[in-house]
Amino acid sequence: NAGVTQTPKFQVLKTGQSMTLQCAQDMNHEYMSWYRQDPGMGLRLIHYSVGAGITDQGEVPNGYNVSRSTTEDFPLRLLSAAPSQTSVYFCASSRDRSWQPQHFGDGTRLSIL
Amino acid sequence: AQKVTQAQTEISVVEKEDVTLDCVYETRDTTYYLFWYKQPPSGELVFLIRRNSFDEQNEISGRYSWNFQKSTSSFNFTITASQVVDSAVYFCALSEANNFNKFYFGSGTKLNVKP
Repeated sequence: NAGVTQTPKFQVLKTGQSMTLQCAQDMNHEYMSWYRQDPGMGLRLIHYSVGAGITDQGEVPNGYNVSRSTTEDFPLRLLSAAPSQTSVYFCASSRDRSWQPQHFGDGTRLSIL
Repeated sequence: AQKVTQAQTEISVVEKEDVTLDCVYETRDTTYYLFWYKQPPSGELVFLIRRNSFDEQNEISGRYSWNFQKSTSSFNFTITASQVVDSAVYFCALSEANNFNKFYFGSGTKLNVKP
């Protein structure tokens, strides 16, 4: 069982570049979410999805887009990277929103220069 | 005001000692969920427990136990007979049924277990 798979594990971008962080889960979970973790802090919710075709904003959505075309995949797009988006990003899934987040990917460490 | 307060920034214990990590939360919702997560030095996040606001039963899982007290808005986590592998940052978190677009994490307690 792969669980939640995130790619890449590390990425360095220049200011203004765009990129997509990939997230896939094989547990048939309806609920998926993206978080960022800044140094010395807990997670902050960026976007979440309660099922294919349905997404919504979390606490810190600015500068990020998501889509959910299948139950398995929930990519996070940085539209125009800024140094303030330097962080560790975690994707998570759970059986429903009251259990979120439960199963995590290994994280993506993203640096914006 | 912080929704989730973990007042202990860092705790150091010697192996086999018991240790309690404190978590105090704040909410006006009647339906809410409390969580504990572990983040070892390798950086991954591990879900430990979820408790809903209607279930005040304490829970024990091996060396781990959780004490949920609504009267004091606390959800404390105790590790019995700590081991070096318990060294990690532990986060307490809160979500509210009326506001699932926010998720409140505490600032974490770093636990150092020395051999």
